[in-house]
Amino acid sequence: AQSVTQPDIHITVSEGASLELRCNYSYGATPYLFWYVQSPGQGLQLLLKYFSGDTLVQGIKGFEAEFKRSQSSFNLRKPSVHWSDAAEYFCAVGAPGSSNTGKLIFGQGTTLQVKP
Amino acid sequence: DAGVTQSPTHLIKTRGQQVTLRCSPKSGHDTVSWYQQALGQGPQFIFQYYEEEERQRGNFPDRFSGHQFPNYSSELNVNALLLGDSALYLCASSLVGSPTDTQYFGPGTRLTVL
Repeated sequence: AQSVTQPDIHITVSEGASLELRCNYSYGATPYLFWYVQSPGQGLQLLLKYFSGDTLVQGIKGFEAEFKRSQSSFNLRKPSVHWSDAAEYFCAVGAPGSSNTGKLIFGQGTTLQVKP
Repeated sequence: DAGVTQSPTHLIKTRGQQVTLRCSPKSGHDTVSWYQQALGQGPQFIFQYYEEEERQRGNFPDRFSGHQFPNYSSELNVNALLLGDSALYLCASSLVGSPTDTQYFGPGTRLTVL
């Protein structure tokens, strides 16, 4: 069955340090891939997406992600974390047979804490 | 340009009751999807509406139903509420046929079932 795994439930980094959040998916083909961020009491905001083409994608707020087909991964990175980046991060894939605006399957999420 | 809006923000119901949640899509969007997000979990797809019809459905019982109106707004109805229905309900909108588009999420409705 289609699934998304975010191995790290909680991550703490110091402000200014680099960040990498992991995401692995199971799928028979290259899916649509997304990273969303959720601040407390807020909805989901799209950080970036991968549909096709260049496997390194740039997003908002200085985030980037790299699609690695051989590893079925779509890890999110940021070179220097700011205190305002503390939030919940979700990796998602488009379900089989869905369009780029169809059903999304989400991982469990990674909570990012930023130390001053 | 208003984004996705949802009402109400919070709702408290008791077991067995029925609830209706509402969503207005982002301007220019014609498709609405609903997700349930339990505490500490990622969102789970409930269903998607396009042209006033249910287009896709996730693994949710028939107690969960929806509707889309001609102005593209949507309602999510849940009957015979259970304690386990307590969650944040997210609405997302999108535009069918746009090759680069994706789903835009609203702030959610927090439902508490006592």
